[in-house]
Amino acid sequence: DQQVKQNSPSLSVQEGRISILNCDYTNSMFDYFLWYKKYPAEGPTFLISISSIKDKNEDGRFTVFLNKSAKHLSLHIVPSQPGDSAVYFCAASVPGGYQKVTFGIGTKLQVIP
Amino acid sequence: EAQVTQNPRYLITVTGKKLTVTCSQNMNHEYMSWYRQDPGLGLRQIYYSMNVEVTDKGDVPEGYKVSRKEKRNFPLILESPSPNQTSLYFCASSTGGYTEAFFGQGTRLTVV
Repeated sequence: DQQVKQNSPSLSVQEGRISILNCDYTNSMFDYFLWYKKYPAEGPTFLISISSIKDKNEDGRFTVFLNKSAKHLSLHIVPSQPGDSAVYFCAASVPGGYQKVTFGIGTKLQVIP
Repeated sequence: EAQVTQNPRYLITVTGKKLTVTCSQNMNHEYMSWYRQDPGLGLRQIYYSMNVEVTDKGDVPEGYKVSRKEKRNFPLILESPSPNQTSLYFCASSTGGYTEAFFGQGTRLTVV
């Protein structure tokens, strides 16, 4: 049973436009959420995170929104650049963390020049 | 340079032949984890460690062992590998439960 769901396996966006990647979760105990980016032949790298006490966190071109009532978060990339083409993983952890993190299956983003 | 180093990067082995994938981090992180990545299943946690001699099971621990005798090292041991353990494996480390993890470059394992 997938507790973190990324229902779109892939997404194509024109360069300069907004990319919106979505993530849903079922475990109401999750209280910390992270997004990772992964290029081929490399390990995932951290992108941005958000605590459940917030509904938005921004870092440059990247913004994550959290809607706790809907158990939904989204990652917005504005403007999208060709270098953003990668697989994006949503991840969540429960209180106490201890690195017991649950990942989604990932969404492959392609930014078309 | 801060990094997580896994070895080997690629490995082809036969069913039943014990193997170890090493993982080392140079950031003095307390927390370390192993994940496997499979198509359509994303990253699934195998084992994690909160400190030296403290380890716990993740979501898919069957068929794997780990040890944490030193803070910097967290090897993954497959005592009797089977073809269903063919996968891409990642080691990760972090400073704590609510911080981001740093991942190694991955080990692609094929068991025939």
